[in-house]
Amino acid sequence: DGGITQSPKYLFRKEGQNVTLSCEQNLNHDAMYWYRQDPGQGLRLIYYSQIVNDFQKGDIAEGYSVSREKKESFPLTVTSAQKNPTAFYLCASSIEGRGRTEAFFGQGTRLTVV
Amino acid sequence: AQSVTQLGSHVSVSEGALVLLRCNYSSSVPPYLFWYVQYPNQGLQLLLKYTTGATLVKGINGFEAEFKKSETSFHLTKPSAHMSDAAEYFCAVSDYGGSQGNLIFGKGTKLSVKP
Repeated sequence: DGGITQSPKYLFRKEGQNVTLSCEQNLNHDAMYWYRQDPGQGLRLIYYSQIVNDFQKGDIAEGYSVSREKKESFPLTVTSAQKNPTAFYLCASSIEGRGRTEAFFGQGTRLTVV
Repeated sequence: AQSVTQLGSHVSVSEGALVLLRCNYSSSVPPYLFWYVQYPNQGLQLLLKYTTGATLVKGINGFEAEFKKSETSFHLTKPSAHMSDAAEYFCAVSDYGGSQGNLIFGKGTKLSVKP
């Protein structure tokens, strides 16, 4: 089945650690996205990529980094510079990134700082 | 720039009652509009979308939405609520040429269904 796979589903991070969230898609989509979700705040865009080897910052990129070395993969690293990383993280993809197609979402990763 | 406003962060209805979730948008170009549903601890699932053509759009699970250009609205409705409809619903508009990469999402409306 085609879709987006995020792993792990739950992740615990100690203070000062970097962690990487995985996102893989087999939909052959060009564009991929990372969103952060906090209660009552909707979805906030962290980074997006419209093509391999290219990505742009979203509204809340500070403390996060991404790479897009392969079309199907868009990992997100939460660095120690992110002061409040506890949240639900959603990865998404779309056929293209010019606003004309729907986004498909993964099941999310819940990150908790311990 | 495009934007989306969802009126009411929380809506509560009785089982069997009409569901109406409101969405207003702002767009400088003809918009593409979407409704998504999210169940707890899960990703978002597309309910329906409007691109061009018929302004009344039917989606999954008995939901439908009507694009009203004069009112810049895209409200989501379902004639009879079911307990399984309890979830959070997000309206989105295409970010054509903007900085969001693809879609701009509203803040969401949490729907509760009372037995």
